[in-house]
Amino acid sequence: NAGVMQNPRHLVRRRGQEARLRCSPVKGHSHVYWYRQLPEEGLKFMVYLQKENIIDESGMPKERFSAEFPKEGPSILRIQQVVRGDSAAYFCASSPMGQGPGNTIYFGEGSWLTVV
Amino acid sequence: GEDVEQSLFLSVREGDSSVINCTYTDSSSTYLYWYKQEPGAGLQLLTYIFSNMDMKQDQRLTVLLNKKDKHLSLRIADTQTGDSAIYFCAESSSSNTGKLIFGQGTTLQVKP
Repeated sequence: NAGVMQNPRHLVRRRGQEARLRCSPVKGHSHVYWYRQLPEEGLKFMVYLQKENIIDESGMPKERFSAEFPKEGPSILRIQQVVRGDSAAYFCASSPMGQGPGNTIYFGEGSWLTVV
Repeated sequence: GEDVEQSLFLSVREGDSSVINCTYTDSSSTYLYWYKQEPGAGLQLLTYIFSNMDMKQDQRLTVLLNKKDKHLSLRIADTQTGDSAIYFCAESSSSNTGKLIFGQGTTLQVKP
């Protein structure tokens, strides 16, 4: 009964490189969310995806960041040309439905990105 | 816009009760959550409460919700050193219950 799986758990990138973070939701969950936690801050919503669709990307930076959740395979958060300010923990979460009572969202263990 | 506020730090002695407070602004909040995060780790859901409830108890944890004042609290009875962590309050609306708005977190320090 696997929960939300994220990899890599820790990633180091040099400035200008690309970072790819992967998230496999709980089996049967078709809703995926990405959050970012900057050092000593709370989590901030980035993007909400369903299979093959971006539903809400109101928290995504306008440039360099993209997310996808293909029909097959994990959700990917991609950061191009990373800068030091991208250093953060990136959390993925999944849920079985997007709205309505009884919804519970499950968080992964996070991916810690360090840009050097 | 929506906002969730918490005090940043709380220190208690082992065996005492801890009360962590949270205020929120979104009147359409439907679910309110408490998460625990230990250093370098992910989020652990402690408990959540529907907005039509005013209290929920689960073993050592008691959640109180004052919807009129938009105030949420988490009481931990008989606090232990293992309870030392950062505690996040979060809220979501019924239109998208997976899109949570988090507070900045309260660091709980438990002294032996």
